Amino acid sequence: AQSVTQLGSHVSVSEGALVLLRCNYSSSVPPYLFWYVQYPNQGLQLLLKYTSAATLVKGINGFEAEFKKSETSFHLTKPSAHMSDAAEYFCAVSDPGRDDKIIFGKGTRLHILP
Amino acid sequence: EAGVTQSPTHLIKTRGQQATLRCSPISGHTSVYWYQQALGLGLQFLLWYDEGEERNRGNFPPRFSGRQFPNYSSELNVNALELEDSALYLCASSKYRDGSNTGELFFGEGSRLTVL
Repeated sequence: AQSVTQLGSHVSVSEGALVLLRCNYSSSVPPYLFWYVQYPNQGLQLLLKYTSAATLVKGINGFEAEFKKSETSFHLTKPSAHMSDAAEYFCAVSDPGRDDKIIFGKGTRLHILP
Repeated sequence: EAGVTQSPTHLIKTRGQQATLRCSPISGHTSVYWYQQALGLGLQFLLWYDEGEERNRGNFPPRFSGRQFPNYSSELNVNALELEDSALYLCASSKYRDGSNTGELFFGEGSRLTVL
């Protein structure tokens, strides 16, 4: 069964600094991978997804993630943090088969320091 | 285009009661997912419906159940409520075609259930 681990339940970065949120997955087949963002009192929205095409995936709001099969990782990055990036970020994995429920990590809350 | 809508926004119940939560997917989406978001636990997968059938369920007791109607809207029922059922319940919809889920979920804003 697939699973996903997010390292760090809270991450703080200064405004303008690099954002790096870590995600490692476990899957028996080549997975689909996703990053979602949840702003306060809202549902989740998709930032970006990997579905076996290019390994470097660009998403909305300047975020990108790189699929590294050898490291079973799909870390999320952004070169320069903005105050508006403060939110909770969830990594998710899906096995693209019949039983393809989507499993989420526990989330990482990103704090932006002025 | 209307997004995923959930009702009620907030619900307060006491232990042992039953709760019913409702979800309307985006038009054209046939799949509905339910997740429980409890404090510190992330999103726990509850149920997945597609074309009126339950496709998969997470590791929750049978008192968590649901159904999907012909118009693809869905209902989540929680019987014999316990204190630990207090959480935000999120519904999401997606397209499911050619035997493959695109994986892109569109979420509602959730129903917050409080059990006293």
